[in-house]
This record gives sequence, C-alpha cells and structure tokens, in this order.
Amino acid sequence: GQNIDQPTEMTATEGAIVQINCTYQTSGFNGLFWYQQHAGEAPTFLSYNVLDGLEEKGRFSSFLSRSKGYSYLLLKELQMKDSASYLCAVNTNAGKSTFGDGTTLTVKP
Amino acid sequence: KAGVTQTPRYLIKTRGQQVTLSCSPISGHRSVSWYQQTPGQGLQFLFEYFSETQRNKGNFPGRFSGRQFSNSRSEMNVSTLELGDSALYLCASSLFGTATGELFFGEGSRLTVL
Repeated sequence: GQNIDQPTEMTATEGAIVQINCTYQTSGFNGLFWYQQHAGEAPTFLSYNVLDGLEEKGRFSSFLSRSKGYSYLLLKELQMKDSASYLCAVNTNAGKSTFGDGTTLTVKP
Repeated sequence: KAGVTQTPRYLIKTRGQQVTLSCSPISGHRSVSWYQQTPGQGLQFLFEYFSETQRNKGNFPGRFSGRQFSNSRSEMNVSTLELGDSALYLCASSLFGTATGELFFGEGSRLTVL
C-alpha cells in the first residue's frame, strides 16, 4: 500500500516563504503531484515531479528526493489568496493515485 | 475550452437508496477518474476509466461502480447508500491518465445521506 504524510496545518505571514513537506512510502513510484484546493472549490494542479530535483514555476517550487521518499512545496512571497489546502499525491506505475490528507495553510497579514 | 462538468452539484438521499453521478470530461480527454473526499479520510481514489474500460480501482466496496461511454462521459453509481457515503465526489479528467497526467477536477457532487 501507500502511505503519505503531510502536516495538518501551517500558518505564515503575507510576504514570507513557507515550505510544506510531504513524505511517502510506496512501491512502483511514478511521480508526485501537488494540488491546491481552496475551501469549497475543486483541487487545481500546481506541480509534478518524477525525477529528483527542484521544479520552479513562478512563486511556487516543488522538490523531490525519491531515495528519501520526500517532497516539499515551497511558496514564496506569500499572498492572502494562497490560504488554501495543499494536497500531495503519489502515483504508482500501476496507475493508482494516493492523496495525502492535505495541509491547510493560513496566510496572515 | 470547457472544463470538467459534474452533475448534480448537490443531492440528498436516504439510507438504502442508490445514486448516480455524472461527469463530462474536457473535450479530447479519454481518462476520467473518481474520488471521494471527506474531512476524516481526505481524498480517496475510487476508480479510473480510459476509453470505456476500467483501468484502475481503489479500495472501495462493490456498492461503488462506474462506467464510461464512447463520448468519454462517465457515471458512477453507489447502491444501498450508507450514512458514511456522505461526501464530496470529485471527478477528474486527464489526457493520458492518472499515472502520468495532470488531473483537471470538476467542482464535485456533494452527497448527503440521511
């Protein structure tokens, strides 16, 4: 089976940087996704990592270490609109997706 | 292009009834996957359909079933509803499938079982 752990809640200040960690245990790893979900809305895609290293996309970056079963999502220059739940999801080469329970980020002025 | 459309958005059922939810994917996407989201269990994978065939299945009882039509629209059915089936049911479409593709989620169907 698959096991994904991420912190339940985090709080940060507008303009700051926050790092949301995700650790996983799986067999047949085939990529890790990060999604953002605002309250009452559908999740939206943020990033995809399948190889080790850092993927940067504007204010958001995602890092993966397959040997450590570890990823993080880095959000820079935080804005109030970044307050949301951030979901880490792991895919296997059997085609199954497992989502973490999500990290609720609250950005304060 | 139009996004993923799910209907109905909200519905209320009673225990023992059955429900059918519909999902229309983004035009050109052949993969539709279904998820159950609850506060206690998070987002859990139900199944994926690709070109009318079920390609993967999560760990849900047989009361949960689905199908996909030739136009890629998908339906999921839950029979003999239980209180614990109350949840937000999300569908996602993808060009290449859940294994490698970015998922585009619909707004969801919120089911309440009384």
